[in-house]
Amino acid sequence: DAGVTQSPTHLIKTRGQHVTLRCSPISGHKSVSWYQQVLGQGPQFIFQYYEKEERGRGNFPDRFSARQFPNYSSELNVNALLLGDSALYLCASSLPRSDQPQHFGDGTRLSIL
Amino acid sequence: DQQVKQNSPSLSVQEGRISILNCDYTNSMFDYFLWYKKYPAEGPTFLISISSIKDKNEDGRFTVFLNKSAKHLSLHIVPSQPGDSAVYFCAVYSGGSNYKLTFGKGTLLTVNP
Repeated sequence: DAGVTQSPTHLIKTRGQHVTLRCSPISGHKSVSWYQQVLGQGPQFIFQYYEKEERGRGNFPDRFSARQFPNYSSELNVNALLLGDSALYLCASSLPRSDQPQHFGDGTRLSIL
Repeated sequence: DQQVKQNSPSLSVQEGRISILNCDYTNSMFDYFLWYKKYPAEGPTFLISISSIKDKNEDGRFTVFLNKSAKHLSLHIVPSQPGDSAVYFCAVYSGGSNYKLTFGKGTLLTVNP
């Protein structure tokens, strides 16, 4: 069975540009979460979507947005990129039960020049 | 304000010995605790979890212990193997929901042959 897949694996952008990152969840998972991981830190929660509705949002500016499609795949969009947005962006999917773990993709490494 | 703390950035053990990774948390509302392992260039992989109503959970070489009064969580790996060398993250759910994981900063475990 395919795990969580993310694309692209690496991306280089310049300040002020925008970026779209993509995620396909594990088959049967309707919940998708996005995290940002910077060097030396644990992943930080950005968004969760379930059944195409936003269920939660972390402490990130409005430049960050996301959506979920009818097939449960998801996009994370970041506008007006800053140097500080350079990070590993992780997507996770899960079943909607409080005892179910989130399963992660390998991430997109975003570098801002 | 860090709600999940992994105070040891690194740990080195000999192959065959026990590895003990520790995690402290501040919020008594946290109700589900998870450990993830992360290799370089890969996403976090779920290892083992424990509900706040239990104090121990075992899965093969991995055992997680929960001390609610001390707000302390530990992961024991016995016996340790070189392939266990990775960064280990403690993470929590709260509020009876699995929509948001809060992570510690991680501990780099090195198992020496």
